[in-house]
Amino acid sequence: NAGVTQTPKFQVLKTGQSMTLQCAQDMNHEYMSWYRQDPGMGLRLIHYSVGAGITDQGEVPNGYNVSRSTTEDFPLRLLSAAPSQTSVYFCASWRGETQYFGPGTRLLVL
Amino acid sequence: GQQLNQSPQSMFIQEGEDVSMNCTSSSIFNTWLWYKQDPGEGPVLLIALYKAGELTSNGRLTAQFGITRKDSFLNISASIPSDVGIYFCAGRDNYGQNFVFGPGTRLSVLP
Repeated sequence: NAGVTQTPKFQVLKTGQSMTLQCAQDMNHEYMSWYRQDPGMGLRLIHYSVGAGITDQGEVPNGYNVSRSTTEDFPLRLLSAAPSQTSVYFCASWRGETQYFGPGTRLLVL
Repeated sequence: GQQLNQSPQSMFIQEGEDVSMNCTSSSIFNTWLWYKQDPGEGPVLLIALYKAGELTSNGRLTAQFGITRKDSFLNISASIPSDVGIYFCAGRDNYGQNFVFGPGTRLSVLP
């Protein structure tokens, strides 16, 4: 099993550009989440999904969209990138209490 | 919203020393979790705690679920260089689907 995979690993965007961060898991987990990690602030929840076709907002959803058309994939879309979205983004899937995190995507918005 | 505090924010210790860190919340949680994040990687679950007062070990790591359900502690005994990283606590309540993370404790181990 690959676990949770994320692409790209690193991305530079200009303000106003859009992009999609990809996340996939092969563990057949119903639950998936997107977090952003900023220095000194831990992990903050952006959006989450409790199953295919079902998504909901987390703590910091503004500027991001998600969809969950399959159990395996949970892409995160930045609609119009802003410098405040410079961060490291982690996708996770889980069952029960055990979350499995991807390796992260480092995003720099200029 | 719910917030977790972790202390210390960072610590430098000598190899072989024991380490203690804690996590506090203004809200009650029914599950406490401790994660470790290595540089450039995603967090990995170390220990999960499900009951107030519970003490659970995983090798050299021991964690406790506080009696008040508003705190948790993580101890690392006989630290080694590979213990370096950021340690996060996370809590989960009965009402939410999700986990709330603390800001982390950054551990450095000096040889």
